Amino acid sequence: GGIITQTPKFLIGQEGQKLTLKCQQNFNHDTMYWYRQDSGKGLRLIYYSITENDLQKGDLSEGYDASREKKSSFSLTVTSAQKNEMAVFLCASSPGGGQNTLYFGAGTRLSVL
Amino acid sequence: GEQVEQRPPHLSVREGDSAVIICTYTDPNSYYFFWYKQEPGAGLQLLMKVFSSTEINEGQGFTVLLNKKDKQLSLNLTAAHPGDSAVYFCAVSGGSALGRLHFGAGTQLIVIP
Repeated sequence: GGIITQTPKFLIGQEGQKLTLKCQQNFNHDTMYWYRQDSGKGLRLIYYSITENDLQKGDLSEGYDASREKKSSFSLTVTSAQKNEMAVFLCASSPGGGQNTLYFGAGTRLSVL
Repeated sequence: GEQVEQRPPHLSVREGDSAVIICTYTDPNSYYFFWYKQEPGAGLQLLMKVFSSTEINEGQGFTVLLNKKDKQLSLNLTAAHPGDSAVYFCAVSGGSALGRLHFGAGTQLIVIP
């Protein structure tokens, strides 16, 4: 089996700060995703990537940048953290295609002071 | 686009009782359906993947029913135990090469010993 590793597990930032979240997978999956999880709102797709160097906007891409540096890694940048923002950011990967299961990392918990 | 509504948002049951979570989707072309379980501090783990052609799907201790006519997907835990306490998410996909999933908002299930 494989694993998805997200770093850091917890991230505390200041208002206006640029923050970067990292994700690594060893499944050798083509497609990787970043989701934001807010209480009571389910998961919302921020960015996804279907192959190395590819980048596609999701439903919530404003305020974020992403980078698929290589097949195994996908990073997300919060371009300017919002005061009192609290959310969990989940990275996932899949072999590709809507029929495929997504495998999730444990998440990065963001708090902005 | 696809809309997925999940209910209830919170559910408490006693150990040994059944628990039912229902998702309603809007796109009649949806073809793949997923239930994920999220334990505290962890990412989402696949519980079951259901294809449009199969209406009744049985897992260990639970049943997933798909009603295509009413565009409804349900998760029935037949005899809940404390280890079932978690947040459950349904997800729906149209099966395109894009691999986009649409998630419900989640149900927090608490099983009281």
